[in-house]
Amino acid sequence: EPEVTQTPSHQVTQMGQEVILRCVPISNHLYFYWYRQILGQKVEFLVSFYNNEISEKSEIFDDQFSVERPDGSNFTLKIRSTKLEDSAMYFCASRTGTSENQPQHFGDGTRLSIL
Amino acid sequence: GESVGLHLPTLSVQEGDNSIINCAYSNSASDYFIWYKQESGKGPQFIIDIRSNMDKRQGQRVTVLLNKTVKHLSLQIAATQPGDSAVYFCAENPSGAGSYQLTFGKGTKLSVIP
Repeated sequence: EPEVTQTPSHQVTQMGQEVILRCVPISNHLYFYWYRQILGQKVEFLVSFYNNEISEKSEIFDDQFSVERPDGSNFTLKIRSTKLEDSAMYFCASRTGTSENQPQHFGDGTRLSIL
Repeated sequence: GESVGLHLPTLSVQEGDNSIINCAYSNSASDYFIWYKQESGKGPQFIIDIRSNMDKRQGQRVTVLLNKTVKHLSLQIAATQPGDSAVYFCAENPSGAGSYQLTFGKGTKLSVIP
């Protein structure tokens, strides 16, 4: 069964450094998402991406964050200058574009630890 | 909105019994709901979904019930197995057509006693 894959599984970065989290969505999917989950808390929406542009973003997704689909398969989340509070699990998700109500399928996440 | 903390509601069930996990959603305009299962160290895994024009949907060993009047969603797992132990999240699409972000509930931890 096709799945969303994310790399790396764990990223440790010094505060203030840039980090790029990578995702390969399911190949025929058209909508892409990033979510984060702070330890012990619920999953929070960051941003959605469709047709090579951001379609929605949350208040969390400030100017330090950016997303890109650099080629036909990868979808990346960049955090420009990381802060301690950026430590969390970051999940990528994708879904088809065939109709409105289709489930989002999630990868296993990248654990981001900011020191 | 709901308060979020480190302590999840926990449900402990005996192997073979049925489990019922409940969720209250917040937005009466939501028209699509999903249940996800999250095992330790993994991402949310899709279990079952339901649209707002339905009040019940069945899958393999799972049933989702939707009560729009009281904004309540439940997941029933039949003959619970040790592999069902996980955290279960309900998620809603809160803004209707044209907005596909999901809002997650805080989760319920299901522990299956062998």
